[in-house]
Amino acid sequence: QSALTQPASVSGSPGQSITISCTGTSSDVGAHDYVFWYQQLPGKAPKLLIYHVSGRPSGISNRFSGSKSGNTASLTISGLQAEDEADYYCSSYTDISGVMFGGGTKVTVL
Amino acid sequence: QVQLVQSGAEVKKPGASVKVSCKASADTFPSYGINWVRQAPGQGLEWMGWISVYNGNGNKKYPQKFQDRVTMTTETPTHTTYMELRNLRSDDTAVYYCASSPSIVGPRSWGQGTLVTVSS
Repeated sequence: QSALTQPASVSGSPGQSITISCTGTSSDVGAHDYVFWYQQLPGKAPKLLIYHVSGRPSGISNRFSGSKSGNTASLTISGLQAEDEADYYCSSYTDISGVMFGGGTKVTVL
Repeated sequence: QVQLVQSGAEVKKPGASVKVSCKASADTFPSYGINWVRQAPGQGLEWMGWISVYNGNGNKKYPQKFQDRVTMTTETPTHTTYMELRNLRSDDTAVYYCASSPSIVGPRSWGQGTLVTVSS
């Protein structure tokens, strides 16, 4: 059982927007801005999409955006494309447990 | 962006140890830290710990689950970080990733992964 809760799957049609949630507690997600999002294509290493809740590394499309409200962080993919079909993971941090990941969300483009 | 290259796949017997390496490109050797994360077949990501390579101070943090079995070390002259896992079990079969980060709070740039298979 993962420390952070994500939906197992989310789907959408090309061009639509989808949102993936990541729910933690007031000790992790709700305590600070140490929320990260990763994309993992089949057979590949994870790739950083979002850091510190809403920061976007250079080279990452602005179709990916992050936000947080209380103990729940969210990743929104706008203008969904076939190449976005992948697994997505969130992570957070506590001084006691270190880095913790969500269970992952499989995104399907219909 | 830090470029990380990991060592090749390993096959080990139960009870043995494995040592996986992670080499950073010389011009981008992280002055911060390296995380180790593993992924069992068909499963999610699991954090195994972090080692600071800032000025070679080697500060480490391991989650309780791995504290008795994992050791992370760094070799500054060769820009290489190592993760050793001891007393291997079949459920340690996984792809092991290294990933750099400016601080411990979240991995950023990832290596390509190393498959470790534990089988008798």
